[in-house]
Amino acid sequence: DTEVTQTPKHLVMGMTNKKSLKCEQHMGHRAMYWYKQKAKKPPELMFVYSYEKLSINESVPSRFSPECPNSSLLNLHLHALQPEDSALYLCASSQDPHRDLKYEQYFGPGTRLTVT
Amino acid sequence: GQNIDQPTEMTATEGAIVQINCTYQTSGFNGLFWYQQHAGEAPTFLSYNVLDGLEEKGRFSSFLSRSKGYSYLLLKELQMKDSASYLCAVGDGSGNTGKLIFGQGTTLQVKP
Repeated sequence: DTEVTQTPKHLVMGMTNKKSLKCEQHMGHRAMYWYKQKAKKPPELMFVYSYEKLSINESVPSRFSPECPNSSLLNLHLHALQPEDSALYLCASSQDPHRDLKYEQYFGPGTRLTVT
Repeated sequence: GQNIDQPTEMTATEGAIVQINCTYQTSGFNGLFWYQQHAGEAPTFLSYNVLDGLEEKGRFSSFLSRSKGYSYLLLKELQMKDSASYLCAVGDGSGNTGKLIFGQGTTLQVKP
């Protein structure tokens, strides 16, 4: 099973709302990632979790708050977003890049977020 | 600095062979990945090279030369469904964090 699931598929929120994106994998992967992707651009890394601890924050604004409750789940909490935050938000997971030579990332289908 | 270059667009004919090139200059290197992304969908892993040489997987092959900072993805017997964006990504070698540095992607259009 190489599936990463994400909910919701689509989300429309106002600039004062609080919402959360959810990601789940059952491949036993110990690294999980959040990306943001704008149209016709490559994915842009936001956060990396390794063994449920935040290992990389790519200077992401604090209105995005990641959380890793356990090894299978990854959340992204959203608060007071701006219209320019509208994008496809992708979650990915991989084997531990410190230990495994082959650590390809498997992506979920993404959440299409629109901020109004 | 980190720089990954690949052509923006390519067009090829159904049944033909196409080669998508990728050159990179990065401060570290921990493998080179190729992903396929159809419009509106998530990227799908295609191949991974960490040593020089050719990796073959069905209709797709990927080549790496670390000394030249060069890779290519070869697609044979092109099908219409191969129309997609192809992303070259280099694993960031500093700290083995799993961080990938993506190129801008090559949009491939396969014509009948």
